[in-house]
Amino acid sequence: QITLKESGPTLVKPTQTLTLTCTFSGFSLSTSGVGVGWIRQPPGKALEWLAIIFWDDNERYSPSLKSRLTITKDTSKNQVVLTMTNMDPVDTATYYCAHRIPAGTYFDYWGQGTLVTVSS
Amino acid sequence: DIQMTQSPSSLSASVGDRVTITCRASQGISNYLAWYQQKPGKGPKLLIYAASTLQSGVPSRFSGSGSGTDFTLTISSLQPEDVATYSCQNYYSAPYTFGQGTKLDLK
Repeated sequence: QITLKESGPTLVKPTQTLTLTCTFSGFSLSTSGVGVGWIRQPPGKALEWLAIIFWDDNERYSPSLKSRLTITKDTSKNQVVLTMTNMDPVDTATYYCAHRIPAGTYFDYWGQGTLVTVSS
Repeated sequence: DIQMTQSPSSLSASVGDRVTITCRASQGISNYLAWYQQKPGKGPKLLIYAASTLQSGVPSRFSGSGSGTDFTLTISSLQPEDVATYSCQNYYSAPYTFGQGTKLDLK
């Protein structure tokens, strides 16, 4: 059974750096084709894909946020970490991590999401 | 970036109705399209991938079609538990963009 769970601060101040951790079970990030992605959703708005890291350490980022994002993995701990610098109130959103299957970059299992509010 | 545009943005239908939601890509994406269902306060649930392949466990009243730039999600007979927001996603190339969502409720 695949599960993912996001953790991190619920409130950050403008200009601060956000660090979110995705802890997962039921699969290994060393398995060929597997990936873990991050997607966010501002309140009442659409889903926005942010970043993904693959089993082979390749990474992809949303071009509009690339300069602010870093995604890393710790295969031994079954964790993926997303950092986003220079947070702004417009970054207030629910942040999800999700499992990417080998067949393509869509997501068959999602975490419950964590709401991050950016406010002074 | 490939833009994904859904229509309509919202939709009201009655139990038993046939419901169709469309998704248009700004350029051809072959069949690299997924559909998700999201209920309030929950994470998205994968319904369909490869434009028309039903994810395991998803009721057969859901179906998808299309290729290239135009795609549809159809619910053959709407059930009360289908009230949700539906989103499409391009996975042809990064960035793996989502549509803006279609909110479906009961009339």
